[in-house]
Amino acid sequence: AQSVSQHNHHVILSEAASLELGCNYSYGGTVNLFWYVQYPGQHLQLLLKYFSGDPLVKGIKGFEAEFIKSKFSFNLRKPSVQWSDTAEYFCAVNAGGANNLFFGTGTRLTVIP
Amino acid sequence: NAGVTQTPKFQVLKTGQSMTLQCAQDMNHEYMSWYRQDPGMGLRLIHYSVGAGITDQGEVPNGYNVSRSTTEDFPLRLLSAAPSQTSVYFCASSYSKGRMETQYFGPGTRLLVL
Repeated sequence: AQSVSQHNHHVILSEAASLELGCNYSYGGTVNLFWYVQYPGQHLQLLLKYFSGDPLVKGIKGFEAEFIKSKFSFNLRKPSVQWSDTAEYFCAVNAGGANNLFFGTGTRLTVIP
Repeated sequence: NAGVTQTPKFQVLKTGQSMTLQCAQDMNHEYMSWYRQDPGMGLRLIHYSVGAGITDQGEVPNGYNVSRSTTEDFPLRLLSAAPSQTSVYFCASSYSKGRMETQYFGPGTRLLVL
């Protein structure tokens, strides 16, 4: 069965620090990969997604993620975080039929002004 | 467009009570799904539907029923609530069942079962 691991449960950064959130998945076939974000009190919304092609994917608000197939990883990065990036971040994998997503446990990011 | 809407926002139930969580979307999306979010466990798929009249089970379907009589609505029914069903429930939809489609999430329903 597919599984998604997010090793960082809570990350605390100061503004302007660089961010990298880890995501590893277990599935040997073709995968589609997503990062979703949940700002306090808001819906989950898509940050970025990868299906094929360039393994470096750029998303909204300056976020990017790199798909490394050999490491089964899809880490999220941002060079300089802002206070407004405080949120919970979820990595998700679609590796089966239909559009069913398998989510990681989430990483809570707190950015200190 | 209102997007994906869910009602109620909060609900408290007693063990054994039944209720229906409502989900509607006005984007003419073919695919709809229900997830539950629990601390330390992320979101887990309960049921999904790839079109009106078609539903299927996800990871954690026990204790829940769904139906899809129209494209717009996808209600989730708890037939006999249990404390283990205390959770936050999210409905989501996408244009099609294709794996590359972005899912759009509703605001969630917080359910407490006593």
